[in-house]
Amino acid sequence: DAGVTQSPTHLIKTRGQQVTLRCSPKSGHDTVSWYQQALGQGPQFIFQYYEEEERQRGNFPDRFSGHQFPNYSSELNVNALLLGDSALYLCASSLGTSGGDTQYFGPGTRLTVL
Amino acid sequence: EDQVTQSPEALRLQEGESSSLNCSYTVSGLRGLFWYRQDPGKGPEFLFTLYSAGEEKEKERLKATLTKKESFLHITAPKPEDSATYLCAVQGGSARQLTFGSGTQLTVLP
Repeated sequence: DAGVTQSPTHLIKTRGQQVTLRCSPKSGHDTVSWYQQALGQGPQFIFQYYEEEERQRGNFPDRFSGHQFPNYSSELNVNALLLGDSALYLCASSLGTSGGDTQYFGPGTRLTVL
Repeated sequence: EDQVTQSPEALRLQEGESSSLNCSYTVSGLRGLFWYRQDPGKGPEFLFTLYSAGEEKEKERLKATLTKKESFLHITAPKPEDSATYLCAVQGGSARQLTFGSGTQLTVLP
Protein backbone atom coordinates (compact mmCIF):
# COMPACT_ATOMS: atom_id res chain seq x y z
CA ASP A 1 0.00 0.00 0.00
CA ALA A 2 1.68 3.18 -1.22
CA GLY A 3 1.72 6.03 1.21
CA VAL A 4 1.65 9.72 0.37
CA THR A 5 4.23 10.68 -2.25
CA GLN A 6 5.60 14.12 -3.11
CA SER A 7 7.81 15.49 -5.84
CA PRO A 8 10.34 16.88 -6.20
CA THR A 9 12.34 16.12 -3.05
CA HIS A 10 14.35 19.30 -3.20
CA LEU A 11 14.03 22.50 -5.21
CA ILE A 12 16.11 25.66 -5.48
CA LYS A 13 14.56 28.83 -6.93
CA THR A 14 15.36 32.52 -7.02
CA ARG A 15 13.22 35.38 -5.78
CA GLY A 16 10.32 36.26 -8.07
CA GLN A 17 10.14 32.85 -9.71
CA GLN A 18 7.19 30.49 -9.61
CA VAL A 19 7.18 26.89 -8.35
CA THR A 20 4.84 23.88 -8.58
CA LEU A 21 4.92 21.05 -6.07
CA ARG A 22 3.08 17.75 -6.54
CA CYS A 23 1.40 15.26 -4.24
CA SER A 24 -0.25 11.85 -4.63
CA PRO A 25 -2.45 10.81 -1.71
CA LYS A 26 -2.47 7.51 0.13
CA SER A 27 -4.52 4.84 -1.61
CA GLY A 28 -8.22 5.24 -0.80
CA HIS A 29 -7.94 8.85 0.39
CA ASP A 30 -9.83 11.68 -1.31
CA THR A 31 -8.66 14.78 0.57
CA VAL A 32 -5.34 16.56 0.33
CA SER A 33 -4.03 19.24 2.70
CA TRP A 34 -0.88 21.33 2.28
CA TYR A 35 1.31 22.64 5.09
CA GLN A 36 4.41 24.83 5.31
CA GLN A 37 7.00 24.01 7.96
CA ALA A 38 9.76 26.45 8.82
CA LEU A 39 12.86 25.17 10.61
CA GLY A 40 12.18 24.46 14.26
CA GLN A 41 8.44 25.09 13.97
CA GLY A 42 5.34 22.98 13.63
CA PRO A 43 3.60 22.75 10.24
CA GLN A 44 1.31 25.64 9.30
CA PHE A 45 -1.88 24.92 7.33
CA ILE A 46 -2.04 26.40 3.82
CA PHE A 47 -5.23 24.90 2.37
CA GLN A 48 -7.23 21.72 1.87
CA TYR A 49 -8.73 20.25 -1.30
CA TYR A 50 -11.72 17.93 -1.49
CA GLU A 51 -13.73 16.99 -4.58
CA GLU A 52 -11.42 19.18 -6.68
CA GLU A 53 -12.29 22.32 -4.73
CA GLU A 54 -10.52 24.33 -2.04
CA ARG A 55 -12.52 23.54 1.08
CA GLN A 56 -10.59 25.55 3.65
CA ARG A 57 -7.69 27.98 3.62
CA GLY A 58 -5.20 29.11 6.22
CA ASN A 59 -3.62 32.52 6.64
CA PHE A 60 -1.52 32.53 3.46
CA PRO A 61 -1.54 35.12 0.64
CA ASP A 62 -3.11 34.35 -2.70
CA ARG A 63 0.38 33.87 -4.15
CA PHE A 64 -0.24 30.35 -2.84
CA SER A 65 -2.73 28.46 -4.98
CA GLY A 66 -3.58 24.85 -5.60
CA HIS A 67 -5.42 22.32 -7.62
CA GLN A 68 -6.82 18.84 -7.16
CA PHE A 69 -7.25 16.44 -10.06
CA PRO A 70 -9.97 13.81 -10.59
CA ASN A 71 -7.55 11.09 -9.38
CA TYR A 72 -7.25 13.07 -6.08
CA SER A 73 -3.63 14.07 -6.67
CA SER A 74 -2.83 17.72 -6.02
CA GLU A 75 -0.50 20.57 -6.89
CA LEU A 76 0.66 23.54 -4.85
CA ASN A 77 1.73 26.62 -6.81
CA VAL A 78 3.61 29.54 -5.35
CA ASN A 79 4.08 32.70 -7.43
CA ALA A 80 6.50 35.59 -6.97
CA LEU A 81 8.69 33.67 -4.55
CA LEU A 82 10.10 35.47 -1.52
CA LEU A 83 13.10 34.50 0.61
CA GLY A 84 10.64 33.77 3.43
CA ASP A 85 8.99 31.05 1.36
CA SER A 86 11.99 28.80 1.99
CA ALA A 87 10.61 25.88 4.00
CA LEU A 88 9.62 22.22 3.99
CA TYR A 89 6.29 21.85 2.18
CA LEU A 90 4.22 18.93 3.38
CA CYS A 91 1.27 17.24 1.79
CA ALA A 92 -1.15 15.22 3.90
CA SER A 93 -4.00 12.98 2.79
CA SER A 94 -7.13 11.82 4.59
CA LEU A 95 -10.68 10.63 4.09
CA GLY A 96 -12.70 13.81 3.94
CA THR A 97 -16.14 12.60 4.86
CA SER A 98 -16.03 13.25 8.61
CA GLY A 99 -14.31 15.25 11.26
CA GLY A 100 -11.47 13.98 13.39
CA ASP A 101 -10.00 12.34 10.32
CA THR A 102 -6.36 11.36 10.68
CA GLN A 103 -4.03 13.03 8.18
CA TYR A 104 -1.06 11.07 6.84
CA PHE A 105 1.94 13.05 5.67
CA GLY A 106 4.31 12.63 2.76
CA PRO A 107 8.09 13.07 2.97
CA GLY A 108 7.91 16.73 1.98
CA THR A 109 9.55 19.00 -0.60
CA ARG A 110 12.41 21.19 0.63
CA LEU A 111 12.17 24.56 -1.14
CA THR A 112 15.08 26.96 -1.00
CA VAL A 113 14.62 30.48 -2.35
CA LEU A 114 17.82 32.42 -3.08
CA GLU B 1 -8.56 30.32 17.43
CA ASP B 2 -7.12 26.90 18.25
CA GLN B 3 -3.81 26.93 20.14
CA VAL B 4 -1.31 24.20 21.05
CA THR B 5 1.66 24.56 23.39
CA GLN B 6 4.19 21.78 23.84
CA SER B 7 6.69 21.39 26.66
CA PRO B 8 9.52 20.99 27.16
CA GLU B 9 11.01 22.32 23.91
CA ALA B 10 13.88 19.83 24.22
CA LEU B 11 14.46 16.78 26.41
CA ARG B 12 17.56 14.66 26.85
CA LEU B 13 17.16 11.22 28.45
CA GLN B 14 19.45 8.34 29.18
CA GLU B 15 18.45 5.05 27.58
CA GLY B 16 15.88 3.41 29.86
CA GLU B 17 14.94 6.67 31.64
CA SER B 18 11.16 7.08 31.34
CA SER B 19 9.55 10.52 30.97
CA SER B 20 6.52 12.40 29.64
CA LEU B 21 5.95 15.10 27.03
CA ASN B 22 3.16 17.62 27.53
CA CYS B 23 0.71 19.13 25.03
CA SER B 24 -1.64 21.85 26.32
CA TYR B 25 -4.41 22.97 24.02
CA THR B 26 -7.35 25.33 23.66
CA VAL B 27 -9.93 24.48 21.04
CA SER B 28 -13.60 25.07 20.44
CA GLY B 29 -15.13 21.61 20.24
CA LEU B 30 -12.30 19.08 20.05
CA ARG B 31 -12.73 16.65 17.18
CA GLY B 32 -9.34 15.00 17.52
CA LEU B 33 -5.89 15.32 19.09
CA PHE B 34 -3.03 13.85 17.11
CA TRP B 35 0.53 12.84 17.95
CA TYR B 36 3.20 12.58 15.27
CA ARG B 37 6.90 11.71 15.26
CA GLN B 38 9.19 13.61 12.89
CA ASP B 39 12.78 12.74 12.02
CA PRO B 40 15.05 15.51 10.68
CA GLY B 41 14.21 16.54 7.11
CA LYS B 42 11.30 14.08 6.85
CA GLY B 43 7.52 14.27 7.01
CA PRO B 44 5.63 13.66 10.27
CA GLU B 45 4.83 10.00 10.98
CA PHE B 46 1.41 9.35 12.52
CA LEU B 47 1.39 7.84 16.01
CA PHE B 48 -2.00 8.29 17.71
CA THR B 49 -5.42 9.93 17.46
CA LEU B 50 -7.37 10.67 20.67
CA TYR B 51 -10.98 11.83 20.53
CA SER B 52 -12.25 12.34 24.09
CA ALA B 53 -11.04 12.99 27.62
CA GLY B 54 -10.00 9.83 29.42
CA GLU B 55 -8.95 8.04 26.26
CA GLU B 56 -5.56 6.29 26.20
CA LYS B 57 -3.63 4.59 23.38
CA GLU B 58 -0.40 2.59 23.41
CA LYS B 59 2.16 1.56 20.87
CA GLU B 60 5.36 -0.20 21.90
CA ARG B 61 7.12 2.15 24.39
CA LEU B 62 4.69 5.04 23.82
CA LYS B 63 1.40 5.79 25.58
CA ALA B 64 -0.78 8.81 24.85
CA THR B 65 -3.41 10.13 27.26
CA LEU B 66 -5.97 12.94 26.99
CA THR B 67 -7.73 15.29 29.41
CA LYS B 68 -9.97 18.26 28.63
CA LYS B 69 -7.00 20.64 28.60
CA GLU B 70 -3.90 18.61 27.81
CA SER B 71 -2.40 15.43 26.47
CA PHE B 72 0.66 13.53 27.58
CA LEU B 73 2.95 11.28 25.60
CA HIS B 74 4.58 8.87 28.04
CA ILE B 75 7.79 7.18 26.93
CA THR B 76 8.73 4.07 28.89
CA ALA B 77 12.32 2.80 28.86
CA PRO B 78 13.27 4.76 25.75
CA LYS B 79 15.92 3.63 23.28
CA PRO B 80 18.22 5.81 21.12
CA GLU B 81 16.00 5.09 18.09
CA ASP B 82 13.18 6.97 19.85
CA SER B 83 15.15 10.18 19.32
CA ALA B 84 13.03 12.51 17.17
CA THR B 85 10.79 15.57 17.37
CA TYR B 86 7.32 14.74 18.68
CA LEU B 87 4.50 16.95 17.39
CA CYS B 88 1.04 17.41 18.86
CA ALA B 89 -1.88 18.77 16.80
CA VAL B 90 -5.59 19.45 17.32
CA GLN B 91 -8.60 19.65 15.05
CA GLY B 92 -11.62 21.47 16.39
CA GLY B 93 -15.01 22.93 15.57
CA SER B 94 -15.74 23.07 11.88
CA ALA B 95 -12.06 23.31 11.00
CA ARG B 96 -10.54 20.76 8.69
CA GLN B 97 -6.95 21.76 9.33
CA LEU B 98 -4.62 20.55 12.02
CA THR B 99 -3.16 23.17 14.37
CA PHE B 100 0.30 22.09 15.51
CA GLY B 101 2.51 22.91 18.45
CA SER B 102 6.21 23.60 17.92
CA GLY B 103 7.20 20.13 19.03
CA THR B 104 9.44 18.53 21.66
CA GLN B 105 12.88 17.48 20.44
CA LEU B 106 13.72 14.24 22.25
CA THR B 107 17.27 12.90 22.43
CA VAL B 108 17.89 9.49 24.01
CA LEU B 109 21.53 8.84 24.86
CA PRO B 110 22.94 5.29 24.87
